[in-house]
Amino acid sequence: QKEVEQDPGPLSVPEGAIVSLNCTYSNSAFQYFMWYRQYSRKGPELLMYTYSSGNKEDGRFTAQVDKSSKYISLFIRDSQPSDSATYLCASRKTSYDKVIFGPGTSLSVIP
Amino acid sequence: DGGITQSPKYLFRKEGQNVTLSCEQNLNHDAMYWYRQDPGQGLRLIYYSQIVNDFQKGDIAEGYSVSREKKESFPLTVTSAQKNPTAFYLCASSPPLSIANEQFFGPGTRLTVL
Repeated sequence: QKEVEQDPGPLSVPEGAIVSLNCTYSNSAFQYFMWYRQYSRKGPELLMYTYSSGNKEDGRFTAQVDKSSKYISLFIRDSQPSDSATYLCASRKTSYDKVIFGPGTSLSVIP
Repeated sequence: DGGITQSPKYLFRKEGQNVTLSCEQNLNHDAMYWYRQDPGQGLRLIYYSQIVNDFQKGDIAEGYSVSREKKESFPLTVTSAQKNPTAFYLCASSPPLSIANEQFFGPGTRLTVL
């Protein structure tokens, strides 16, 4: 079993839709949870970062962690064509440990 | 401009050849990493280095080698011992491991074995 799993998609939504991207993880010791965005043929860039359970909001983006169910979510409100990318969730146990990445979900926002 | 550069962007290799991928950063970061990305799989860690002249194997180090002679540079050599080297290779850096949560990635090198 992979430590971090995601539905690879592709996910296609109309512009303006609310997007929900989800991950599950298996290691209950994970404390740090990240979402990276990767445009085609580019390196990933950090989008959101949360520690432990709870919600974090940044503009149109909300990251949510439920440690009881080992579930990580990223919500995108008012989605834009520029949001079209692959979204990678990632986790780590402590800030000293290596980062474990999920395989990524490909998102297309259609104008 | 601060950032991470990788070269070349595309690289073609014949079977049996060693190739070296370049990674340079001017962010003054101590830690650097090499990942491999294949379709449908997450980023897999090849090697990482927390400080100059020191590096550790990641999850898939076989067939690869690295050096860290300068803080700014962390080149990756893909040797002929790597049986399936065709992939997208990403270099990253971060501030000291003990406090870092963000890794900054380069634009990647796409290696194709002919």
